[in-house]
Amino acid sequence: QVQLVQSGAEMKKPGASVKVSCKASGYAFSAYGMYWVRQAPGQGLEWVGWINAGNGNTEYPQKFQGRVTITRDTSANTAYMELSSLRSADTAVYYCARDSIKPRGGLDFWGRGTLVTVSS
Amino acid sequence: EIILTQSPATLSLSPGERATLSCRASQSISTYLAWYQQRPGQAPRLLIYDASNRVTGIPDRFSASGSGTDFTFTISSLEPEDFAVYYCQYISNWRTTFGQGTRLEIK
Repeated sequence: QVQLVQSGAEMKKPGASVKVSCKASGYAFSAYGMYWVRQAPGQGLEWVGWINAGNGNTEYPQKFQGRVTITRDTSANTAYMELSSLRSADTAVYYCARDSIKPRGGLDFWGRGTLVTVSS
Repeated sequence: EIILTQSPATLSLSPGERATLSCRASQSISTYLAWYQQRPGQAPRLLIYDASNRVTGIPDRFSASGSGTDFTFTISSLEPEDFAVYYCQYISNWRTTFGQGTRLEIK
């Protein structure tokens, strides 16, 4: 069965960087895209970025350009999201989610999320 | 940039009642719309894709319709486990945006 297992909670100081991992199993990792979505406490869902796990191409929203880097290791079936220059507003649960192979298919499997807390 | 506006922000209903949620796009998005349910402390769960297609295993009390700019999500008869937050999502060409969510609460 499809599983996305994320790394554990992180606590960082302002200005630091964080790297969250998402290990996939149960499907052909390189055949799918992966999205990263975050959710600040009590808030809605916000897109952080996307990677084509096959060729490594990425897309980021303007808001995070220059601050976020998404990569993948196909030998480990793992995607990574690194966010730099952290500030308190980056405190959130970060999710990885698989891009469905169906046209207009949505995000069909999600990790459980990784809480990143930014505090001095 | 496509903006999705969900209404109402909060909907208070009782079990057994019908729930109708709305999602409006700032410009036409054809049927590039998905709906998610999020229960407290859990990741979102995909319910509907391509505006009206129910994911395998999702009960048929959940349905959705619409195209262009106006979309509707309906739960025909609320079960206790349906009280949660619902999000619509536009996704196209590897980019995406979410509505702000509708909280469905028990009256």
